[in-house]
Amino acid sequence: AQSVTQPDARVTVSEGASLQLRCKYSSSVTPYLFWYVQYPRQGLQLLLKYYSGDPVVQGVNGFEAEFSKSNSSFHLRKASVHWSDSAVYFCAVSMWGTGSKLSFGKGAKLTVSP
Amino acid sequence: EAGVTQSPRYAVLQEGQAVSFWCDPISGHDTLYWYQQPRDQGPQLLVYFRDEAVIDNSQLPSDRFSAVRPKGTNSTLKIQSAKQGDTATYLCASSFPGGANTGQLYFGEGSKLTVL
Repeated sequence: AQSVTQPDARVTVSEGASLQLRCKYSSSVTPYLFWYVQYPRQGLQLLLKYYSGDPVVQGVNGFEAEFSKSNSSFHLRKASVHWSDSAVYFCAVSMWGTGSKLSFGKGAKLTVSP
Repeated sequence: EAGVTQSPRYAVLQEGQAVSFWCDPISGHDTLYWYQQPRDQGPQLLVYFRDEAVIDNSQLPSDRFSAVRPKGTNSTLKIQSAKQGDTATYLCASSFPGGANTGQLYFGEGSKLTVL
């Protein structure tokens, strides 16, 4: 079975600073990896996804993530955060053909301070 | 295009009461999911359907939980004899044909349940 671990439950960064949210996955084969974001009073939204190929994938609003097979990681990055990026970010994993049985991490609550 | 719609948005119950949550997926999406999200936790899959068929309900916590999607469109999740441990937000999500295997889900805003 696959799983993900997000070691940082709460992260605070200043507006304009860079951001990295960590995600480690556990899977017997290379999984499909995702970052979802949950803004206050909104449903989860897909930020970006990795299936194969270039290990750096681009998402919406300037986010990107880098897949590392050797480190079993899929960290999320942004060069310069904005106050509107304050939200909860979830890393998720699934296996192709499993009917999208996504397994989510516990999430990382990001607060962007002025 | 309308998103995934859920109702009610909030429910407060005493232990032992029953509650039903309703979900209207995005038009044309054949796969529908119910997730349970306890406070400060990630969503955990309860059950999912393709059209009207249950594909996997192995994660439903107990026989107090049931879910149906009789016509392959809207779905209802019911909790009978609720317990305090059921306190969570219940999320509905849907995916388009072929999208299920890609992990790209579209979520509703959720129904927040508090059991006193």
